[in-house]
Amino acid sequence: DAVMTQSPLSLPVTLGQSASISCRSSQGLVHSNGNTYLNWFHQRPGQSPRRLIYEVSKRDSGVPDRFSGSGSGTDFTLKISRVEAEDVGDFYCMQGSHWPYTFGQGTKLEI
Amino acid sequence: EVQLVESGGGVVQPGGSLRLSCITSGFPFDTTDMHWVRQPPGKALEWVSLIHDSGRTTYYADSVKGRFTISRDTSKKSLYLQMDSLRSEDSALYYCAKDYMGSYTHWGQGTLVTVSS
Repeated sequence: DAVMTQSPLSLPVTLGQSASISCRSSQGLVHSNGNTYLNWFHQRPGQSPRRLIYEVSKRDSGVPDRFSGSGSGTDFTLKISRVEAEDVGDFYCMQGSHWPYTFGQGTKLEI
Repeated sequence: EVQLVESGGGVVQPGGSLRLSCITSGFPFDTTDMHWVRQPPGKALEWVSLIHDSGRTTYYADSVKGRFTISRDTSKKSLYLQMDSLRSEDSALYYCAKDYMGSYTHWGQGTLVTVSS
């Protein structure tokens, strides 16, 4: 199984600052079809996860452009510019390139 | 609008059984692979099981293999998870999730399973 390792696990930030979360996979995430299925999810306290980013850098509808994804191969990053109060919660990377799908341990963003 | 609504959670003793349900709407259920994902209290997300759109192929995490059974009813646009021989470590919030292209596009609100004597 592809092991997904996130860092940091805890991310204290100040409103208006930028924040960055790293996600590393134990194996390359290029699918046999050439796509890279690396996703980022945000889970606010008491809520279900919501997808922010898919295929490394594609933002879901309604996701502010403050959120951006980048990376390739085994190293990926979620960047949040101008952190807002509504961004608190847990962020998870997840790979869907290899079976089974696997999640990172989660990064808790605190204001 | 895509909707996934789970039910069936509750408190059960170790060794007991529960059947979770997920009623779906707003998308073509019969051509969509579906998953169960769980989250123990305060912990990370963990994939549990997958059923392909046809219903003929299923996969399970090693931790639940032989104890859990995933199924679906296309006529009811519903997904199920039969959980037997439950253990304390199965205590979690269980989500059904809609699969598309190596991702989960939508999640339900979850149903809580607590295994305790």
